[in-house]
Amino acid sequence: SYVLTQSPSVSVASGQTATITCGGNNIESKTVNWYQKRAGQAPVVVVHDDSDRPSGIPERFSGSNSGNTATLTITRVEAGDEADYFCQVYDRSSDHWVFGGGTKLSVL
Amino acid sequence: QVQLVESGGGAVQPGRSLRLSCAASGFTFNTYGMHWVRQAPGKGLDWVAFMSYDGKKISYTDSVKGRFTVSRDNSKGMLFLEMNSLRGEDTAVYYCARFRRPWLILDSIDSWGQGTLVTVSS
Repeated sequence: SYVLTQSPSVSVASGQTATITCGGNNIESKTVNWYQKRAGQAPVVVVHDDSDRPSGIPERFSGSNSGNTATLTITRVEAGDEADYFCQVYDRSSDHWVFGGGTKLSVL
Repeated sequence: QVQLVESGGGAVQPGRSLRLSCAASGFTFNTYGMHWVRQAPGKGLDWVAFMSYDGKKISYTDSVKGRFTVSRDNSKGMLFLEMNSLRGEDTAVYYCARFRRPWLILDSIDSWGQGTLVTVSS
């Protein structure tokens, strides 16, 4: 079945830019969604359909998808952005919804 | 506003059964596809099952196929997950989650419940 690969952790200084990647075979042919998950809380979608941002999500969050890599970029990172971030796609061949393993964002 | 409230979790021995419920409110339930997604302790999000708004399309992750059954009662705004032959690896917080837009078979998730904990242990 389709596999999404994420780096386990990313550390960035407050005010800098965080880049979280999601690797998958020809992922650009799929629609990627990104979810933020804080401990003890329900997940929140921060980017859907590769690059669309839901209302209420700061413009600092953006997404892109090309080739074998989808990317979530968070500019001017704040302490409140510390969370786990998961990418997700639908794999038509297996009829499965697939999550990446998640990336823990730490703000220094 | 959209509310999803899961219930039915608890501690159960391996091989036993449990039925999870998700009560939906604040939206027209019978027009939205719904998922069950779980998160084991210290692990990532793991998709479990999907049911379309009309119940005609159902999908399961391989590890639960044949053991778990998803269903819904559109007249009551309820989503269910019947879990049989439970295993230790099924231990997780189980979330119900809703599609972002109605009437679709494929979409992103925009609403999640707070989850219910299932612990499978002898």
